[in-house]
Amino acid sequence: DADVTQTPRNRITKTGKRIMLECSQTKGHDRMYWYRQDPGLGLRLIYYSFDVKDINKGEISDGYSVSRQAQAKFSLSLESAIPNQTALYFCATSDRWTVYNEQFFGPGTRLTVL
Amino acid sequence: GQQVMQIPQYQHVQEGEDFTTYCNSSTTLSNIQWYKQRPGGHPVFLIQLVKSGEVKKQKRLTFQFGEAKKNSSLHITATQTTDVGTYFCAGSGGTSYGKLTFGQGTILTVHP
Repeated sequence: DADVTQTPRNRITKTGKRIMLECSQTKGHDRMYWYRQDPGLGLRLIYYSFDVKDINKGEISDGYSVSRQAQAKFSLSLESAIPNQTALYFCATSDRWTVYNEQFFGPGTRLTVL
Repeated sequence: GQQVMQIPQYQHVQEGEDFTTYCNSSTTLSNIQWYKQRPGGHPVFLIQLVKSGEVKKQKRLTFQFGEAKKNSSLHITATQTTDVGTYFCAGSGGTSYGKLTFGQGTILTVHP
């Protein structure tokens, strides 16, 4: 959805570099998520945040950190990138007050670590 | 932790054939959601099932939630080329409400 934006859309970096992926949303949702997608592994949750002061680790948080700067912004950082962090990264949002609490995904960031 | 397994990983069909993907959870789920990701795109929500034994239809798509709330299926009747993409199930359960565990996805290819 255009209401969830991710920058950059593509990034090539080198091993050991610090990199930040940014996510912004105009949907007014309280919940935000970071996933990575790898072929054959589906979507795996890295971190999630149910409000600005709430940050939680997902199933694969090692090597990543996040910052929830505002309700609308949720950033993912790789402190020292390594090649096996090469993947497609998605940000998603959801609203606790909706019936389905479905998640709305951004367009994704394709990250390559050389 | 909660695990969600989805099979098959790949499915190739001729246009007009039916398609089914299956999802199994290691734990009882509160609900299950289905998403579709078109090639080069992002996952898009299709539907949520909440009740034991629930069946929902969207045109040619039929979604089922098992009686034990540990398995689900998506069936597409008479596939069309517009059905191509990856279909994911995602479960939420217990204390993990609001947090989804995704299956590995089934990549559907439809040959015209």
